[in-house]
Amino acid sequence: EPEVTQTPSHQVTQMGQEVILRCVPISNHLYFYWYRQILGQKVEFLVSFYNNEISEKSEIFDDQFSVERPDGSNFTLKIRSTKLEDSAMYFCATNRDAEETQYFGPGTRLLVL
Amino acid sequence: EDQVTQSPEALRLQEGESSSLNCSYTVSGLRGLFWYRQDPGKGPEFLFTLYSAGEEKEKERLKATLTKKESFLHITAPKPEDSATYLCAASPNTDKLIFGTGTRLQVFP
Repeated sequence: EPEVTQTPSHQVTQMGQEVILRCVPISNHLYFYWYRQILGQKVEFLVSFYNNEISEKSEIFDDQFSVERPDGSNFTLKIRSTKLEDSAMYFCATNRDAEETQYFGPGTRLLVL
Repeated sequence: EDQVTQSPEALRLQEGESSSLNCSYTVSGLRGLFWYRQDPGKGPEFLFTLYSAGEEKEKERLKATLTKKESFLHITAPKPEDSATYLCAASPNTDKLIFGTGTRLQVFP
């Protein structure tokens, strides 16, 4: 059964450094999402992406964040200058149609020191 | 404001002891109501999607139901391997999912 994959599984970085989190969506899916989950808290929406542009973003998704689909397969989330409060699990999700079920990847655990 | 509330926060059951988890939602123009299972340190794993009031979906020991204001996840004769956090999420008339805080279920042999 096709799955969403994410790399790396864990990343430790220093405050102020840039990080790029990568996701490989399910092959025939056209809508892509990033969510985050701070330890012990609920899963929060960051951004949705369709047809090579952002379709919706939350208040969390400020100028420090960006997304792109650089090569037609990967979907990336970049944090330009990480802060301590960016420490969280970051999940990629995808679906074929915006009204259908979103399938989640295993997540990247980001720790900012 | 769109909101999803789950109760209880935590539930401890003896193996075989059936129970229900509640998800109350307030969203504008509900597209769908989703149930996921999340194991520690893992991503949400899809269980059910419900689209309209009165709809029911079933899979093994789990059954999900939907009304106009809430959804229930019924667990019949649970086993220890059903221990996990169960997440409810609602999709308003946008792309995003709004998650509740989850119910942490522990099933003891």
